Amino acid sequence: AQSVTQPDIHITVSEGASLELRCNYSYGATPYLFWYVQSPGQGLQLLLKYFSGDTLVQGIKGFEAEFKRSQSSFNLRKPSVHWSDAAEYFCAVGLNAGKSTFGDGTTLTVKP
Amino acid sequence: GAGVSQSPRYKVAKRGQDVALRCDPISGHVSLFWYQQALGQGPEFLTYFQNEAQLDKSGLPSDRFFAERPEGSVSTLKIQRTQQEDSAVYLCASSLKASGGAGETQYFGPGTRLLVL
Repeated sequence: AQSVTQPDIHITVSEGASLELRCNYSYGATPYLFWYVQSPGQGLQLLLKYFSGDTLVQGIKGFEAEFKRSQSSFNLRKPSVHWSDAAEYFCAVGLNAGKSTFGDGTTLTVKP
Repeated sequence: GAGVSQSPRYKVAKRGQDVALRCDPISGHVSLFWYQQALGQGPEFLTYFQNEAQLDKSGLPSDRFFAERPEGSVSTLKIQRTQQEDSAVYLCASSLKASGGAGETQYFGPGTRLLVL
């Protein structure tokens, strides 16, 4: 069965510091991978997605993610975090017919 | 442009009551998905529509859950005889194309927070 693991439940970083959120997946083939952000009371917003090709994917709001097949990972990074980045972040694997399996999320707190 | 909207945003129900949750997808979007998000967890797939056809309902947790999309646009998720374990945020998402490909981008609504007392 497909699964997604986000090992860090909660991460705190200082504003301006770099950020890396971890995501590991279990899937039988080359997966479709996504990162979403969810602010309180809001729906999920797609940050970026990976299907194939270049393993470094650029997304919105200055985020990027790198697909590493050998490690079954798709970690999300940002060089300099802004206070507005505080939110919950979800990694997901896209399955057949578009339904996705999500991780349990990582909550990001940004210290001033 | 208008995104995916859901109503009501909050719903409090007494155990045993029936509830109906509405989703208005982005106009012209073929695919529509429902997810259930329990507190502290990621969304879990419930069901998927392509136009008016419900092609996958494998995630519905029991026969108390029923979803429809009769005209291929607005969808309603109905929960009969609600139980406390049904308390969650119910998210709706739509995508432009038929989801034969797994990578189609989904656009999510803000969700309906259901609390069953």
